[in-house]
Formats: sequence, structure tokens, C-alpha cells
Amino acid sequence: DIQMTQSPSSLSASVGDRVTISCRASQGIRNDLDWYQQKPGKAPKRLIYAASSLESGIPSRFSGSGSGTEFTLTISSLQPEDFATYYCLQHNSYPLLTFGGGTKVEIK
Amino acid sequence: QVQLVQSGAEVKKPGASVKVSCKATGYTFTSNTIQWLRQAPGQSLEWVGWINPDRGDTMYSRSLQGRLTIVRDTSATTAYMELSSLRTEDSAVYYCARSYCGGDCYSLDWGQGTLVTVSS
Repeated sequence: DIQMTQSPSSLSASVGDRVTISCRASQGIRNDLDWYQQKPGKAPKRLIYAASSLESGIPSRFSGSGSGTEFTLTISSLQPEDFATYYCLQHNSYPLLTFGGGTKVEIK
Repeated sequence: QVQLVQSGAEVKKPGASVKVSCKATGYTFTSNTIQWLRQAPGQSLEWVGWINPDRGDTMYSRSLQGRLTIVRDTSATTAYMELSSLRTEDSAVYYCARSYCGGDCYSLDWGQGTLVTVSS
């Protein structure tokens, strides 16, 4: 099975900061990777699909890059509503899905 | 609009079984597959299994194989996930999610989640 390793597991940042989250796949997954945001008590919401495509309605401060085994989610200027937990998700082995361990973004 | 409405929270003892339902409305039930996922408290999300409501095909997580059954009732536009021989580590929020083609064909519409608590 494909494993997804996400880092860091948590980070503290201030409003306006640039934030970068990484995800590594245990084997090549082309660009079959999405990024999700989850707030407490809610289902996850997709931000980025196919590694670098912005989901409709998602602010342009969110961007994704990478292919193969290394992927990155970047928030260019952190906003108060961005404090949440972020997950990468691979669907190269669809219908079997694998999530990364998550990155909790907290207020500094 | 598309809605996936799940059954309510459950409290079960170890060794018991739980059955969670996922009622789908707002689209043709047999046109999209359904994923089941779970999230233990403070943990990441884990894939549980998948069903194609049209053909009834299923795929299950290897770690849950033997204890997991996913079925559908097309007349009721409802999918069901049953987990047996429950352990305390099965305590989690269980989500159903519809796969559909949005920006790509891996978009997910999520149910509201069902909290399953396994405790003696």
C-alpha cells in the first residue's frame, strides 16, 4: 500500500506569514494528490486537486506543487480563517485512498 | 442539492456490531461510487472501504477485512457500513462520501459524519 508522510505535524505562524507543508509518497503517484483543509467538528474540504489545480471558490493564496513522490502546499499569506488542520490525500490507488498524517496550523 | 445524511451516534460494547447508514439525495444514486472513511479522535483520516452502488462491487481496507461489510439499497438510495467484533480502537467518526467528477473525477461530497464510540 502507498504510504503518505506529511511534515511538519504542527506549526505556529502569524497572520501574513508564508506557510509550506510537505507530503512524500512511498512510491511514485504521478500528480494523483489532493490537499484538504479540516476545521474542528467538520468534514474535510478540498483545496487543491491533481497536485496543483485550485478548487473552485478557494482563495488564490493557496497553491500546490510537485509530482511523483514530493508535494508541497503553500499558503502565501496566512489569514485568520486558515488556522486549521491540513491533509494530503493520494488517489493513485483509487478506490483505495491514503491520507497523510496531517499538519495543524496554529496561531503564533 | 446533493446531500448525504448519515445515521446518528452509536455507543457499543467491545465485541458488538454497528451499522451506519448514508442516505443519498439530490443525484442519481447509482451514478456515483461511495467511499467510507473514519477519523479517530485527534488522528488523521483512514480509508475504510468503497462501494459501486450500480453493480454492488465493494473494496475493503485490508486491516478491516473480515469484520467489514458495505452494502447498498438502491430503492432507498442508501449505503450501509457494518463493522463487527468492535474494538475500542474502532472508536471514530465515520464518514460516507460520494465520488463525483468536479474539477477532476476524485471530488468528494461528504456526509456529516457518525460518531461511533466503543467502550465497556
